[in-house]
Amino acid sequence: SAVISQKPSRDICQRGTSLTIQCQVDSQVTMMFWYRQQPGQSLTLIATANQGSEATYESGFVIDKFPISRPNLTFSTLTVSNMSPEDSSIYLCSVRSGGSNYGYTFGSGTRLTVV
Amino acid sequence: QKEVEQDPGPLSVPEGAIVSLNCTYSNSAFQYFMWYRQYSRKGPELLMYTYSSGNKEDGRFTAQVDKSSKYISLFIRDSQPSDSATYLCAMSAVQGAQKLVFGQGTRLTINP
Repeated sequence: SAVISQKPSRDICQRGTSLTIQCQVDSQVTMMFWYRQQPGQSLTLIATANQGSEATYESGFVIDKFPISRPNLTFSTLTVSNMSPEDSSIYLCSVRSGGSNYGYTFGSGTRLTVV
Repeated sequence: QKEVEQDPGPLSVPEGAIVSLNCTYSNSAFQYFMWYRQYSRKGPELLMYTYSSGNKEDGRFTAQVDKSSKYISLFIRDSQPSDSATYLCAMSAVQGAQKLVFGQGTRLTINP
């Protein structure tokens, strides 16, 4: 299955600033997925990123707050903009596991704390 | 009501015990069911998946699906300290669906 490198692994940011999270996959993939995992909550899909097109956002998430780039088939970034303490969470990127119709491979996540 | 409900625990059991982890769901369209294991400061990793109702066994792990009750379970036999992790159930209605619906995870600790 694919190997995902995600960075930074953690960060502490001031409110009102922005943080860009990078996700690098060791193989070409059509779709990359960005999830948020809030403390005590389930993983929630933020958006799906396809190379060469605009990301598709889930209900409750907007491009202005979470702009996504997908410049090629192995790389994507998620920016958390104008951060507030409510954005403190773990952010994970994910791709569909190679040859699997069910499973997804996740990066190690970015633990974000907004102060 | 959440689509998927999972007791967050924490659950603490002695080494060697049989562990039962469960999720209930409300969407009768769900047909594909997964269990993920997430170690501290790591991303979730796929542990098991099942389609429709029935059992699936893989070593010390058994996944059960009861669609009539909208209830899925993961059993861990002969639990080991290395099984200590958060276990998340996930499900979808469509094979290879882009969007998985996750439970909130159960934090499990196996005590030596």
